[in-house]
Parts: sequence; structure tokens; C-alpha cells
Amino acid sequence: KAGVTQTPRYLIKTRGQQVTLSCSPISGHRSVSWYQQTPGQGLQFLFEYFSETQRNKGNFPGRFSGRQFSNSRSEMNVSTLELGDSALYLCASSSSGTLNTEAFFGQGTRLTVV
Amino acid sequence: DAKTTQPPSMDCAEGRAANLPCNHSTISGNEYVYWYRQIHSQGPQYIIHGLKNNETNEMASLIITEDRKSSTLILPHATLRDTAVYYCIVKTSYDKVIFGPGTSLSVIP
Repeated sequence: KAGVTQTPRYLIKTRGQQVTLSCSPISGHRSVSWYQQTPGQGLQFLFEYFSETQRNKGNFPGRFSGRQFSNSRSEMNVSTLELGDSALYLCASSSSGTLNTEAFFGQGTRLTVV
Repeated sequence: DAKTTQPPSMDCAEGRAANLPCNHSTISGNEYVYWYRQIHSQGPQYIIHGLKNNETNEMASLIITEDRKSSTLILPHATLRDTAVYYCIVKTSYDKVIFGPGTSLSVIP
């Protein structure tokens, strides 16, 4: 079956702009979680959605938000971009919850803020 | 929240066992330890997880100390394809995840 698909793969934005990233989970998976990966901070959990509801959230400012649609596809939005938001953004899908054994990651979206 | 620490890098000879340590001294009683690995430019891949007992699967073994303050991931016969960054992760009862800094494992021929 098809894996987790993240679009776009690469993105360049200017400070102050906003950006929307997309994640299509594996068919049948209802949980989508998002992560930020940077050289300085490593991998950090952003939030998790399950059946269109945000179940938990990491320690990120309100500029980072997300949503999940009825088909389980999820979007992540970052408003008022800062240089420090440059990162690889990863999403993972599973049938039941964050990082459960059947969780699969996408290839990520690499965001560069200039 | 629990915090994890890992050595930044390790080498292992091909065919030998790779033992990757993780310290999670502030872990709570109902928080799981997960291990994932990330091969360059790919998304992380699940390896194994456990709560208090030792666990084994086709990829690796996980040894958790009795006080649960540390754990060791064991790859029994490392191959070149096991070269990756290995993350020790604590998952809380309310599904928050705390990643360790990762250990870059180099398997040497």
C-alpha cells in the first residue's frame, strides 16, 4: 500500500509569510502526528491529530497550528515565519496513536525561511 | 517531562553487536521507551519499544534496567545498512513524545 506522502518536498519562504504543509497518511490510519527537525534542537514533537481532533501538543508557539480532515489528511500551518522555523517537517501516521508500532513517517518537507 | 540523553556517536565493526545506551533517569512509571532510527534523508523508522521488561523482535533487543532509569538497544549482528542515527524516545501516558539527541552509529567494514 502507498506510504505517507508529504507535499511539497521543498519550500522556500520569506520571513513574515505563512506556509501550509500537507500530509496524506496511509489508508486506514486515523492518527497523524507532526515533528520538527533542526540541527540545533533535533527532533521535536509538534502535535497529533486523531479523527479530526487535536489530541496533544508539544511546546511550540501558537504560530504553529494544524488540522485534520475527514479523510485523515492533515495540514500544518506556520504563520509569521521566522528564520528559526527553517527545518525538516515530518509527519507520521498510525492507526491508533503517536509513535505506535505501526507508525510510519513520510519523507518530510524541507522548509527554508529567508 | 522526562529527558533522555544519548552519546552523540558510536562505531561498531560489521558483524558485531552494537549496544546503544540511553539515559532516561526522570522517566515516570507509565512512560514507554521507544527506539527509532533515521537513515540519511529518510523519515525515522520504528525499531522496538518497552515499558519495564526486556523486549526482542526481529530487528533488535531492548534491555531496560530494573529502576528504568536507562536502557540499551542491541543490534545483534550489525551490518553496513544499520548505519543511521538512533533515537531513544520517551512516550508519556498522554502521548507526548520526547526525543533524545540521537546517536550516530557508524558500522565499519
